[in-house]
Amino acid sequence: QKEVEQNSGPLSVPEGAIASLNCTYSDRGSQSFFWYRQYSGKSPELIMFIYSNGDKEDGRFTAQLNKASQYVSLLIRDSQPSDSATYLCAVNMFKTSYDKVIFGPGTSLSVIP
Amino acid sequence: DTGVSQDPRHKITKRGQNVTFRCDPISEHNRLYWYRQTLGQGPEFLTYFQNEAQLEKSRLLSDRFSAERPKGSFSTLEIQRTEQGDSAMYLCASSLGDRRGTGELFFGEGSRLTVL
Repeated sequence: QKEVEQNSGPLSVPEGAIASLNCTYSDRGSQSFFWYRQYSGKSPELIMFIYSNGDKEDGRFTAQLNKASQYVSLLIRDSQPSDSATYLCAVNMFKTSYDKVIFGPGTSLSVIP
Repeated sequence: DTGVSQDPRHKITKRGQNVTFRCDPISEHNRLYWYRQTLGQGPEFLTYFQNEAQLEKSRLLSDRFSAERPKGSFSTLEIQRTEQGDSAMYLCASSLGDRRGTGELFFGEGSRLTVL
């Protein structure tokens, strides 16, 4: 089992719709979770982070965390063409004396005007 | 400080040659990561430094790869006897984490390696 898995893409949604991106992780000791956005040819940039179970909202983005199910999701409301990118789920796998951030394979999102 | 910088941005080399990449993190960041990314894949963890200590190195890395972070400042990643399979984008990221390891990673622009 891979440490971080994401729903396979590409995902296409019409402009204005809700895009739903999913991620599961294998290490129950993981403590913090991140969603990064990566445009083609660019480096990843942080969109949101979440530490506690439940929902966290920031503008059009909502991150959801369920540690019991080892599941993280990202919802993008009112999707815009500028949201077209690859979305990377990252998990901070906390070790005894340090932590290690592992990325999933990414989900490519295309928002159709 | 304008962020994480990587050098060179592009490197083309012949198979069998050695290459070295440099990463200058954000100055107050104590954590530094190296990742490798190929087209259509997420960043693959290579190694991690906390200050000058290399705390983990991916099992996926062969002995041809080595990284250093002298004095806990800049870091170098060296690949010896390059192979065509080493062609990828090498990303450096730094963070200022607390005990919960909640620090956001700030990425450099990456160093793209092409092995002919």
